[in-house]
Amino acid sequence: SQELEQSPQSLIVQEGKNLTINCTSSKTLYGLYWYKQKYGEGLIFLMMLQKGGEEKSHEKITAKLDEKKQQSSLHITASQPSHAGIYLCGADDLYNNDMRFGAGTRLTVKP
Amino acid sequence: KAGVTQTPRYLIKTRGQQVTLSCSPISGHRSVSWYQQTPGQGLQFLFEYFSETQRNKGNFPGRFSGRQFSNSRSEMNVSTLELGDSALYLCASRKRQGDEQYFGPGTRLTVT
Repeated sequence: SQELEQSPQSLIVQEGKNLTINCTSSKTLYGLYWYKQKYGEGLIFLMMLQKGGEEKSHEKITAKLDEKKQQSSLHITASQPSHAGIYLCGADDLYNNDMRFGAGTRLTVKP
Repeated sequence: KAGVTQTPRYLIKTRGQQVTLSCSPISGHRSVSWYQQTPGQGLQFLFEYFSETQRNKGNFPGRFSGRQFSNSRSEMNVSTLELGDSALYLCASRKRQGDEQYFGPGTRLTVT
């Protein structure tokens, strides 16, 4: 089955700093999704990547899927306290016909 | 467009009881998936329904079951509750497989 490993597990940054979260898959990614979750709440969809080399941006968040389609990165520029939360990557596991998620990266932004 | 809604938001049950959770997908979405989220295991897939048919099931015991109605609304049932069933239960909807999923706010189930 497909496993997703996220790094780092947690991150504390000063407001205004840039940061990167990585998601590495044990298999080729056919659909990679990034979500943000506030503690105890539902997941908010951020971006979906499907093609190798694809890059998408929304406001100060940029996500990339590498050419080999086994790793994705999420980059936040000039972080703000509103960026704080848990970031999860998810992927379609075509073998098991379900969706797998990484363990998440907990981001804290200090004002 | 209204988002995914889940009811109830919070629930406290005792061991041995059963519980039913409800999920209303985004209008036009025919696929509904259920997930269990716990601090130890993270987000785990329970099952997915599409057009009233269970398309796939995760690695959970038979005490966990679900169904989907003709209006795409879905229910999840857990029988003979155990302490380890305490978790945040999330449902998500999408138009079709391969599309992004949109999640509801979750139901926080506490089993005592």
